[in-house]
Amino acid sequence: DGGITQSPKYLFRKEGQNVTLSCEQNLNHDAMYWYRQDPGQGLRLIYYSQIVNDFQKGDIAEGYSVSREKKESFPLTVTSAQKNPTAFYLCASSLQGGVDIQYFGAGTRLSVL
Amino acid sequence: GENVEQHPSTLSVQEGDSAVIKCTYSDSASNYFPWYKQELGKRPQLIIDIRSNVGEKKDQRIAVTLNKTAKHFSLHITETQPEDSAVYFCAARPGSARQLTFGSGTQLTVLP
Repeated sequence: DGGITQSPKYLFRKEGQNVTLSCEQNLNHDAMYWYRQDPGQGLRLIYYSQIVNDFQKGDIAEGYSVSREKKESFPLTVTSAQKNPTAFYLCASSLQGGVDIQYFGAGTRLSVL
Repeated sequence: GENVEQHPSTLSVQEGDSAVIKCTYSDSASNYFPWYKQELGKRPQLIIDIRSNVGEKKDQRIAVTLNKTAKHFSLHITETQPEDSAVYFCAARPGSARQLTFGSGTQLTVLP
């Protein structure tokens, strides 16, 4: 199960607060992804990055921001503009952004206080 | 963009029976179709995948079939066991894109 580490496992956000979810990988993968998982809706892509210092919006990027300053790290910030942030967030990585297998982290469960 | 529909949303089978989960996709240029298994409280893990130049692929009790003409692909699990109980997700990669589009998931329960 090693290779991709997400922290924290549980996170609570107060109204109006920005929170940052960590994702680190030691697989030397070029591509990294953030997904949001809600019951009955599968995995929805928030942001993805193919290389360092570059990233693209996914299907539900509004209210989120990311950075990719290092190959190993792809943190996700849930901003106060995201009005319904309660969900399970999964980070993934793949060797390249093409047909290579995506490996997932263990996830962060975010709840609103 | 790509749209992936997955059915059924829940499936219960008796231990030893077969289970079939079906997915349809919209982008005829899609060329990669993985299946992930997510056990309760754990991360999704790839169990099998198929590329568009192949019609069927098997790995022990698991098989995936692809019908490019109809734009659908299916997961087949034979001789189901209680440890097969999990949520299964299909996904498709559009030909012009680098990311996957996932189906909504199927909760499979294998009854002892």
